[in-house]
Amino acid sequence: GAGVSQTPSNKVTEKGKYVELRCDPISGHTALYWYRQSLGQGPEFLIYFQGTGAADDSGLPNDRFFAVRPEGSVSTLKIQRTERGDSAVYLCASSLGSASETQYFGPGTRLLVL
Amino acid sequence: QQQVKQSPQSLIVQKGGISIINCAYENTAFDYFPWYQQFPGKGPALLIAIRPDVSEKKEGRFTISFNKSAKQFSLHIMDSQPGDSATYFCAARGNAGNMLTFGGGTRLMVKP
Repeated sequence: GAGVSQTPSNKVTEKGKYVELRCDPISGHTALYWYRQSLGQGPEFLIYFQGTGAADDSGLPNDRFFAVRPEGSVSTLKIQRTERGDSAVYLCASSLGSASETQYFGPGTRLLVL
Repeated sequence: QQQVKQSPQSLIVQKGGISIINCAYENTAFDYFPWYQQFPGKGPALLIAIRPDVSEKKEGRFTISFNKSAKQFSLHIMDSQPGDSATYFCAARGNAGNMLTFGGGTRLMVKP
């Protein structure tokens, strides 16, 4: 079956612009996670959805970052007024439910802010 | 602050050798410890995972050893192959939340 998909695979933008990153989880997975991976580092948690609601957004670095999952499936991570320090790979993962341990990751979106 | 510390940062092993990667954690509330393998340009893929109520788990050439009292766990790759060359991440999940806390990664190169 299809895994987690993310679009676009690469995004180049200019400082100050707005970007949206999309995640399509595995069908039937109710839990969805966003992580950010800087070059040479491990992924860092951003936000976790159970269904449509954000169950934990403690990893969002500031109020320029926002994520939604309006229908409990596809999620969009939104970054306003991008900064060069936002350049990273943004990873999405999904799991069967909140109690499920295994998180399946997508290939990521490589964001470069010039 | 929840942290998982991983070592070494990089590792070179001859084909057929044993690769060993170590991780240490502080938060005793962690209840699930997965290892992920990541190839360049790809997302992390689950390799093997363990819960703290067992001391060892083996799946094929991959073994996790877990020392609860020392708050340490390690990944052993037996008979390492060039195809194992990748970056490996240990992680931990807290029982108060579902997010994973990752180590910094180990870049493994297996020489033919």
